[in-house]
Amino acid sequence: AQSVTQLGSHVSVSEGALVLLRCNYSSSVPPYLFWYVQYPNQGLQLLLKYTSAATLVKGINGFEAEFKKSETSFHLTKPSAHMSDAAEYFCAVSRGGSQGNLIFGKGTKLSVKP
Amino acid sequence: DTEVTQTPKHLVMGMTNKKSLKCEQHMGHRAMYWYKQKAKKPPELMFVYSYEKLSINESVPSRFSPECPNSSLLNLHLHALQPEDSALYLCASRRTGTGDNEQFFGPGTRLTVL
Repeated sequence: AQSVTQLGSHVSVSEGALVLLRCNYSSSVPPYLFWYVQYPNQGLQLLLKYTSAATLVKGINGFEAEFKKSETSFHLTKPSAHMSDAAEYFCAVSRGGSQGNLIFGKGTKLSVKP
Repeated sequence: DTEVTQTPKHLVMGMTNKKSLKCEQHMGHRAMYWYKQKAKKPPELMFVYSYEKLSINESVPSRFSPECPNSSLLNLHLHALQPEDSALYLCASRRTGTGDNEQFFGPGTRLTVL
């Protein structure tokens, strides 16, 4: 079975500060890992994904994540937060295969203070 | 065209009404999904269609009836809903035949049941 744990339901940073959102996964097979962002009353937008091609994955809007198999982690980072980064962030895992279902974490709400 | 569209954006209905949600994509994706999302929660999988056939029904009450009339269109028919069914309903699609299982999400329909 696969699962995702996001540590911290709410993270608050100052504008210009480092953003670090944590995600740990559990999977019995090599996983595919995703970070999605959701702005209020909108759908989910893919930030980045890990598909085993490279352990350091760069995404949109200056975000990146590093896959660490030994730590079963896929933390999301951004060097300098912007006010527009305030949103809900979901980490998700998929085992691949024909069904391709995503297993979501509970989400982390990011607040950015001016 | 790289987007998933959903109509209507907002829907208010009484418990005795019948209404439908519509989802459309023209990316050639042959897997399509319905999710329900309550406030401050991750999306919860309802139905999966693969090649226009229902492949997963996550024990959803029969007052929700999905339909996939063709490879581009997905409907969710609603009848005799309860106030607790009020939520954001998200549609997603996925390209089959690739391994990473990235899902593309629509903007959602905000449903309110009175």
